[in-house]
Amino acid sequence: GESVGLHLPTLSVQEGDNSIINCAYSNSASDYFIWYKQESGKGPQFIIDIRSNIDKRQGQRVTVLLNKTVKHLSLQIAATQPGDSAVYFCAENMRAGGTSYGKLTFGQGTILTVHP
Amino acid sequence: DAGVIQSPRHEVTEMGQEVTLRCKPISGHNSLFWYRQTMMRGLELLIYFNNNVPIDDSGMPEDRFSAKMPNASFSTLKIQPSEPRDSAVYFCASSPQGGLNEKLFFGSGTQLSVL
Repeated sequence: GESVGLHLPTLSVQEGDNSIINCAYSNSASDYFIWYKQESGKGPQFIIDIRSNIDKRQGQRVTVLLNKTVKHLSLQIAATQPGDSAVYFCAENMRAGGTSYGKLTFGQGTILTVHP
Repeated sequence: DAGVIQSPRHEVTEMGQEVTLRCKPISGHNSLFWYRQTMMRGLELLIYFNNNVPIDDSGMPEDRFSAKMPNASFSTLKIQPSEPRDSAVYFCASSPQGGLNEKLFFGSGTQLSVL
């Protein structure tokens, strides 16, 4: 029978193009956000993070934008390469109950495929 | 640094058997997290520890699942008895303090198949 699972958004680009991956987060009280990259057979790997007191942060070939008004994050990858092909997750850090500890909750992920 | 180390990488077992997954966090990190990843539910937090003490186990699916952290460099996740629906990739992650604004470092995961 047909398997049922998450239908991950997909993005397919040509090598050299810029990629934009979007994410909606759930908790307006979240104040720290992270983008992770997960390649097949590996664990999530940190790409870039952003705190809620700013709306843009740049890294090497990557930029994260945060729009708190609409609870939206985006990851921009410049000059995308075949090695960028992976699943990309956004994650929001929420306070765990009445503690001072953070709890990272992940989005469903987006599959990025880069064609040579 | 060797990063977060998980073992085994793959585990195939039969329904009803006990399964133990192991994790060594990054040296000096005080917080350790167990996540489960499936196609149905994505990445879910099961439990996390700070200074070897469980802080939040609300994600543990049921009593068949248990986790321990006997010392700062070792944690186990045990499933007893295992069921086919437990088949998933289980990730361990660690962070320096487990605070509100810290990124997690993930291991390579254990691919569990329960037949």
